[in-house]
Amino acid sequence: KAGVTQTPRYLIKTRGQQVTLSCSPISGHRSVSWYQQTPGQGLQFLFEYFSETQRNKGNFPGRFSGRQFSNSRSEMNVSTLELGDSALYLCASSLARGSEQYFGPGTRLTVT
Amino acid sequence: AQTVTQSQPEMSVQEAETVTLSCTYDTSENNYYLFWYKQPPSRQMILVIRQEAYKQQNATENRFSVNFQKAAKSFSLKISDSQLGDTAMYFCAFGGSGGSNYKLTFGKGTLLTVNP
Repeated sequence: KAGVTQTPRYLIKTRGQQVTLSCSPISGHRSVSWYQQTPGQGLQFLFEYFSETQRNKGNFPGRFSGRQFSNSRSEMNVSTLELGDSALYLCASSLARGSEQYFGPGTRLTVT
Repeated sequence: AQTVTQSQPEMSVQEAETVTLSCTYDTSENNYYLFWYKQPPSRQMILVIRQEAYKQQNATENRFSVNFQKAAKSFSLKISDSQLGDTAMYFCAFGGSGGSNYKLTFGKGTLLTVNP
């Protein structure tokens, strides 16, 4: 089975721009979660989607949003980028809510 | 809110030796899951081992085993016969039992270096 895929792998954006990151879960997995990883804050939960509905959201400003499609693929969007948004964004999928999560390779976002 | 603490920012071990990474957590839940993930320099997060809180038996996966002490809220990872490929950042993670608040809460990580 193919693992979790994320595109793009690397991204450089300018302050004020917006960005969309994509995640394709493992086939059959219906839950998709997003995490932000930075050297200072570590791994922080952004949000979780299940059956096209956002089920849980972390403590991030409204500039961070996401969605899930009927095929379980998910996208996250960050608007009005700030320098502090530079991070590795990880997507994880799981078969069901509460089961182990499998991570993608991440998208490295750099905001200049 | 759950918290996960890894008190060892860095550790090193000689190849073929055994090392134990520590993790403690705080929660008011009774049913939950605990995980160890490794993140090598490639940055790919890899699930190492999983433990259900309702199971008293400690989980084992080949050279990896855990010591789960529910009352003490402790969840340590033992790596036996360490290999160079075990060099990575190791994260302990807490997962609730499901429901509306399900997410993984991670510790800050322990950087493990295996020396030849």
